[in-house]
Amino acid sequence: GAGVSQSPRYKVAKRGQDVALRCDPISGHVSLFWYQQALGQGPEFLTYFQNEAQLDKSGLPSDRFFAERPEGSVSTLKIQRTQQEDSAVYLCASVLAAPGGSYNEQFFGPGTRLTVL
Amino acid sequence: AQSVSQHNHHVILSEAASLELGCNYSYGGTVNLFWYVQYPGQHLQLLLKYFSGDPLVKGIKGFEAEFIKSKFSFNLRKPSVQWSDTAEYFCAVNALNAGNMLTFGGGTRLMVKP
Repeated sequence: GAGVSQSPRYKVAKRGQDVALRCDPISGHVSLFWYQQALGQGPEFLTYFQNEAQLDKSGLPSDRFFAERPEGSVSTLKIQRTQQEDSAVYLCASVLAAPGGSYNEQFFGPGTRLTVL
Repeated sequence: AQSVSQHNHHVILSEAASLELGCNYSYGGTVNLFWYVQYPGQHLQLLLKYFSGDPLVKGIKGFEAEFIKSKFSFNLRKPSVQWSDTAEYFCAVNALNAGNMLTFGGGTRLMVKP
C-alpha cells in the first residue's frame, strides 16, 4: 500500500499485560514518529527515529514504554505492564527525509486504539 | 517548549454557515503552522500549512487560514460549510529547532447539520 499502516487497529489488554504495536511506514521514509492521543485530546509526541536510531524519546511517559526500529523501516512500540491510563490511540507518522533545512510533511497511519481494562 | 491552544472544543453549525476555528500557540521563535483534519474513522490528513510568505494560506476543500504573528494565532476559516466537513480539526506547530516534531492542540470537533 501507499500509506502508513499500523497493526493491530484495536487492542484490548488486561491491566498488567504487555502489548506490542506495529507501524509500517511508507517505503523509503527515513524518519518515523510515535504519538499518543488520549480520548478528547490532540496527539502528543512520544518518540522519534531517524532510520534505526532513536534520536528523541523525551515524550515516553514512563520506562514501561519502549520503541524500536531495528532495520530502519518497521517500528514497534512496546508497553510493559499496561495500566488504565495507557488507554489511548497510538499514532505513527513517517517522513520522507531527515530534519534539516525545510520542513518535511508527516504522513499519519490510522492508529491503534488500545483499551486497558 | 511550544504549546498550542484551541479554544473551541465542540462546534455545531448548519450547512452554509461560516466557520472560524481559533488556534493560538506559544513559542518565541520561528514556527511552521498546520491544520490537520480527521474525518470519522479515518486517519489524520493535512488540510493546509504555513511556512512563510503570504500569511493567508489556502488549503483543500475551500479552507483557508490566516497567520497573525502579533497575536500568535493561526485561525482556520471556511465561508460556507458542508455536511461533509463534519470532522475533528487539529492545529499543530513545528518549531524550527524541533526537527519535524509536531505539537498539537486539543482539537475541535465540528458537526455540520444538514
